Amino acid sequence: DTGVSQNPRHKITKRGQNVTFRCDPISEHNRLYWYRQTLGQGPEFLTYFQNEAQLEKSRLLSDRFSAERPKGSFSTLEIQRTEQGDSAMYLCASSYYGTSGGYEQFFGPGTRLTVL
Amino acid sequence: AQKVTQAQTEISVVEKEDVTLDCVYETRDTTYYLFWYKQPPSGELVFLIRRNSFDEQNEISGRYSWNFQKSTSSFNFTITASQVVDSAVYFCALTVYGQNFVFGPGTRLSVLP
Repeated sequence: DTGVSQNPRHKITKRGQNVTFRCDPISEHNRLYWYRQTLGQGPEFLTYFQNEAQLEKSRLLSDRFSAERPKGSFSTLEIQRTEQGDSAMYLCASSYYGTSGGYEQFFGPGTRLTVL
Repeated sequence: AQKVTQAQTEISVVEKEDVTLDCVYETRDTTYYLFWYKQPPSGELVFLIRRNSFDEQNEISGRYSWNFQKSTSSFNFTITASQVVDSAVYFCALTVYGQNFVFGPGTRLSVLP
């Protein structure tokens, strides 16, 4: 297993453009999370999926943000009409949740977004 | 609402010194889970440990040890005989049902040779 992968690793865009990030979780993991991390801060929860269902969204996730996880495999996070304040590292994590619990998250390397 | 506080923003130690990273959490729930993650300069967060609220037994793994005390809502992390490779940002995190994870602001540890 190669772990959680994210693409692209870096994205530079102009204000107002749309961007989409992809996350491929560890194959047997049924939960997938998106976080945002700015310099000097801890990750901030954005949203999470269990299989293909999006079960929770943070208030941080404005209407310009949308996430999908079709078929419960990879996930995409789209930001529409980007703003300079969206510049951050976007992290994806996955975990396996079963009857015995198991909330350990395994993180991908992140996508660094710079909005000019 | 849950909250995690890591009061130490930055710590510097000399190699081979012991160092303790503090974590204080807040939650009204009686069942919860605590975590420590390491974020080295390369940037990828690495899972270190999970602790359940009903298991207060302390844990040791090599040079790492964790002290969980519900009475003071603390989950501290000690590195014994620190090494340069321990230099990283360390995050403490809390979740109640494995949904919304709340991370602390992190402690940057620098281990000097």
